[in-house]
Amino acid sequence: AQTVTQSQPEMSVQEAETVTLSCTYDTSESDYYLFWYKQPPSRQMILVIRQEAYKQQNATENRFSVNFQKAAKSFSLKISDSQLGDAAMYFCAYRTITPKSGGSNYKLTFGKGTLLTVNP
Amino acid sequence: DAGVIQSPRHEVTEMGQEVTLRCKPISGHNSLFWYRQTMMRGLELLIYFNNNVPIDDSGMPEDRFSAKMPNASFSTLKIQPSEPRDSAVYFCASSWQGASFGTEAFFGQGTRLTVV
Repeated sequence: AQTVTQSQPEMSVQEAETVTLSCTYDTSESDYYLFWYKQPPSRQMILVIRQEAYKQQNATENRFSVNFQKAAKSFSLKISDSQLGDAAMYFCAYRTITPKSGGSNYKLTFGKGTLLTVNP
Repeated sequence: DAGVIQSPRHEVTEMGQEVTLRCKPISGHNSLFWYRQTMMRGLELLIYFNNNVPIDDSGMPEDRFSAKMPNASFSTLKIQPSEPRDSAVYFCASSWQGASFGTEAFFGQGTRLTVV
């Protein structure tokens, strides 16, 4: 079974600085998706960024970028020029690409989350 | 599209009562997930459906929990009888999954359940 580990329960960053959130995962599959979701106090789960494992290029979305190391099974999120609105819980998640019979492996597996505080 | 719609947003009920949570997935999506979020256990997958069929319900805590998806646009999660330890935020999410490609999961705003 796939597992996702976020080793940092909490992180803090000064406004306008850069912060990196860590995520590692365990899988025997070669093709899969990785995601970072953001959950602000409103509790809405918002997709931040997505990476396909077959793509060597790291995904980037404005101030958010990832460092995807497939061999090391590492998927970290870098937030540049941090803003107060970035304060939230961040979840790393894994999902397979290749369906098994019956679709039994389509589910999204989450890490425990990292609570990010942004200090003014 | 209005996104994934869950109701109610908040539910307070007494122990022993039946609780029904509702979800309307995004039109066109064929996968639907029910998650439970607590401080202690994080986000747990309870059950997910593909093309209205339950594929994996191994996360359903016990027989008090049941989920249905009678059609592609509606799902329910029922707890009967409810217990205080069921207090949590329950999320519904949907996505589209094909033979070799799928979208990310889009989440509803969750239902905060409090059992007193």
